[in-house]
Amino acid sequence: GENVEQHPSTLSVQEGDSAVIKCTYSDSASNYFPWYKQELGKGPQLIIDIRSNVGEKKDQRIAVTLNKTAKHFSLHITETQPEDSAVYFCAAAGYTGNQFYFGTGTSLTVIP
Amino acid sequence: DAGVTQSPTHLIKTRGQQVTLRCSPISGHKSVSWYQQVLGQGPQFIFQYYEKEERGRGNFPDRFSARQFPNYSSELNVNALLLGDSALYLCASSLGGGQGASPLHFGNGTRLTVT
Repeated sequence: GENVEQHPSTLSVQEGDSAVIKCTYSDSASNYFPWYKQELGKGPQLIIDIRSNVGEKKDQRIAVTLNKTAKHFSLHITETQPEDSAVYFCAAAGYTGNQFYFGTGTSLTVIP
Repeated sequence: DAGVTQSPTHLIKTRGQQVTLRCSPISGHKSVSWYQQVLGQGPQFIFQYYEKEERGRGNFPDRFSARQFPNYSSELNVNALLLGDSALYLCASSLGGGQGASPLHFGNGTRLTVT
């Protein structure tokens, strides 16, 4: 089955700086890659996603890049704010979308 | 619009007991998935249902079962609870069907503690 690895496990940045979280996947059949933000006591919230026919997608301060050849994708958050502090998860899913495989999470702390 | 709702929010059970968790999907979503999230880990897939049929099952023992009702709500049942079943159980809904994976929208989960 699919194996998704995520790095780093923890990340601290100064407010206003950029944060980058990286994930790799093993199954070349995976073609959908969402990112989730999970705050304490809440379920994961979808923040951005990308499909394998696109190399990059941007939504305001958040962007995701995908390298299909290398099987890795990254989340970029620019101009970080304290409210960006949370645990972020990457995930991968295949064509059927029956099962999503999640990374182990990155705890992001934005220092005011 | 209401998001995915799960009940109860918290539950404490004793080893060997049985538990039923409930989920109502976003209106218009026909697919419901269940995930288990152990503290410090990413969600692990348990089941996916679409139009009341099981479409996927993760690597969980037969003690775990689920079903989806005609109104697309769903229940997850766990029998003969073990200490290791203590986790946050997440329900996610999605449009389902069509071509390609649909984004999952998660509820806030049910925190199950087995003592």
